[in-house]
Amino acid sequence: QMQLVQSGAEVRKPGASVKVSCKTSGYIFTDYDINWVRQAPGQGFEWMGWMNPNSNNVGYGQRFQGRFTLTSHTSLGTAYMELSSLGYEDTAVYYCARRIKFLGGAFDAFDIWGQGTMVIVSS
Amino acid sequence: DIQLTQSPSSLSASVGDRVTITCRASHNIGKYLNWYQQTPGKAPKLLIYAASNLHSEVPSRFSASGSGTDFTLTISSLQPEDFATYHCHQSYGIFAFGQGTKLEIK
Repeated sequence: QMQLVQSGAEVRKPGASVKVSCKTSGYIFTDYDINWVRQAPGQGFEWMGWMNPNSNNVGYGQRFQGRFTLTSHTSLGTAYMELSSLGYEDTAVYYCARRIKFLGGAFDAFDIWGQGTMVIVSS
Repeated sequence: DIQLTQSPSSLSASVGDRVTITCRASHNIGKYLNWYQQTPGKAPKLLIYAASNLHSEVPSRFSASGSGTDFTLTISSLQPEDFATYHCHQSYGIFAFGQGTKLEIK
């Protein structure tokens, strides 16, 4: 069974950093990009960035450049996201999602999602 | 950046109803549009990819259409498990999502 299992909820003070893990299983980890998406309370999804576990290439959304880092541990089949300089506006549920290509590779979508990790920024 | 606007933001309906949700893109995105279902406490689920293609194991009461800037998701006969929030997602440029449409029981 293919799945992504994320680490548990975190509480951080403003200015701190948080690191969330996303453990994959049931498929070859290096065959698919992992993307990160967050959802603030009562809001829609916001795409943050992607990582290719095979090449270690990454791409970050412009809003997160400079304080967002994606890494992976291939032998563990696990991806990580770290967000630094946290502000209250970073309070959200953070999701990892596997990117799959359809129709000969022409179209992308996220076919498997983690269960989400709540990150609360509070003083 | 490409913006997606969903309407309505929320919707009340009954079991057995037919409902349609709309997603409008700020620029032409061809068929680079996906739909997801989000149920409280569960991981989001891919329903539709490339504007109109049903993902595996998604019930046939779900359908979608559109291209360019205007897209729709239709549920032909609502079931209790369909009451959820639905999100559109464009994969043409930098990934972006609509704000979501919450489907509630009337």
